[in-house]
Amino acid sequence: AQSVTQLDSHVSVSEGTPVLLRCNYSSSYSPSLFWYVQHPNKGLQLLLKYTSAATLVKGINGFEAEFKKSETSFHLTKPSAHMSDAAEYFCVVSPSRRAYNTDKLIFGTGTRLQVFP
Amino acid sequence: DTGVSQDPRHKITKRGQNVTFRCDPISEHNRLYWYRQTLGQGPEFLTYFQNEAQLEKSRLLSDRFSAERPKGSFSTLEIQRTEQGDSAMYLCASSLAAGWNTGELFFGEGSRLTVL
Repeated sequence: AQSVTQLDSHVSVSEGTPVLLRCNYSSSYSPSLFWYVQHPNKGLQLLLKYTSAATLVKGINGFEAEFKKSETSFHLTKPSAHMSDAAEYFCVVSPSRRAYNTDKLIFGTGTRLQVFP
Repeated sequence: DTGVSQDPRHKITKRGQNVTFRCDPISEHNRLYWYRQTLGQGPEFLTYFQNEAQLEKSRLLSDRFSAERPKGSFSTLEIQRTEQGDSAMYLCASSLAAGWNTGELFFGEGSRLTVL
């Protein structure tokens, strides 16, 4: 079975400093992995996705994630945090072998990012 | 606004009452999903439709829950005889399933249910 584990429930950074949100996955085959962001009172929004192409994936708003099979990790990073990055971030795995299949996504428990001025 | 819309945004009900949520997906999207999110947890899959066909239901979806998408456009999620454990945010999402799709779900802002 596929699953994701988000290692931190809360992360606090100062504006302008790097962001690291950690995610480990479990899958019996090469998975499709995503990061979604949820701002207060807003719908979930896709940040980026990995589907067995390049292992370094670039997303919106300056976020990146690197797929590391040897470490079963898919950590989300950003070089410099902005106040507007404060939100809940979810690491997500698709249980399907087929790339881009979104039949039934499996979400992690989320990491709340706080950004201090 | 051409995004996914959900109604009502908030619903407070007494235990034992029935509630119904509505979701209007992005118009050209043929897939529609329902997820449930409780406090401190990530969204959990409930069910999804392709056009009007309900293709999969989670074991989380007890007999008290029923979802429909009668004309392949909007969808309703009904909960009968609500229980306090049903209190959650119910999220709707849509996507375009095609030979090549982006793997992206577009989510609504959710319908928050509180059962007293």
